[in-house]
Amino acid sequence: DAMVIQNPRYQVTQFGKPVTLSCSQTLNHNVMYWYQQKSSQAPKLLFHYYDKDFNNEADTPDNFQSRRPNTSFCFLDIRSPGLGDAAMYLCATSGLTGTYEQYFGPGTRLTVT
Amino acid sequence: AQTVTQSQPEMSVQEAETVTLSCTYDTSESDYYLFWYKQPPSRQMILVIRQEAYKQQNATENRFSVNFQKAAKSFSLKISDSQLGDAAMYFCAYNAGNNRKLIWGLGTSLAVNP
Repeated sequence: DAMVIQNPRYQVTQFGKPVTLSCSQTLNHNVMYWYQQKSSQAPKLLFHYYDKDFNNEADTPDNFQSRRPNTSFCFLDIRSPGLGDAAMYLCATSGLTGTYEQYFGPGTRLTVT
Repeated sequence: AQTVTQSQPEMSVQEAETVTLSCTYDTSESDYYLFWYKQPPSRQMILVIRQEAYKQQNATENRFSVNFQKAAKSFSLKISDSQLGDAAMYFCAYNAGNNRKLIWGLGTSLAVNP
């Protein structure tokens, strides 16, 4: 089945220690998104890629970076995690035709100690 | 600016009963898409139902249906014959056609009581 995969599902990192979260997709979608979601809140868009074109949200901290080496993979790098970065990180994809709906991975829950 | 409002932070329903979740939105666009997403506790966000604004007919997916009132900018979700597995956070979302981003409501937490 076509899907969005996120690894790892749970990640524990130390305050200030860089961490990378990964996302892959078999949907062959042009657009990939990274969201941050805190408990019982709506997802907050951090940035998205349209093919290789990177689009940052204005309020995304510089501490968050992303890479998309090819259509299938996208990475979220947190350069110096703070306690406030503990959250669920969701990856999503979207095609550019049809109804523009987004398909989500299971998420990575990040804990910062 | 486009906004999505879910006025019910929490709702509950008895198993086998029907519940309606409210969503209103604000836009000046004429062509757009609306979605309801479901996120069970600690589980994956999944698409429940979608509605294209140009379609007058309300979308239906099994026990899930919407009441789309374009003039009133209202997009409510009706869940019939509620099941325990329907317990989740439900998010209403909007996309303005060629825009690649979703505008999200704050969500409604639905509890299903046995």
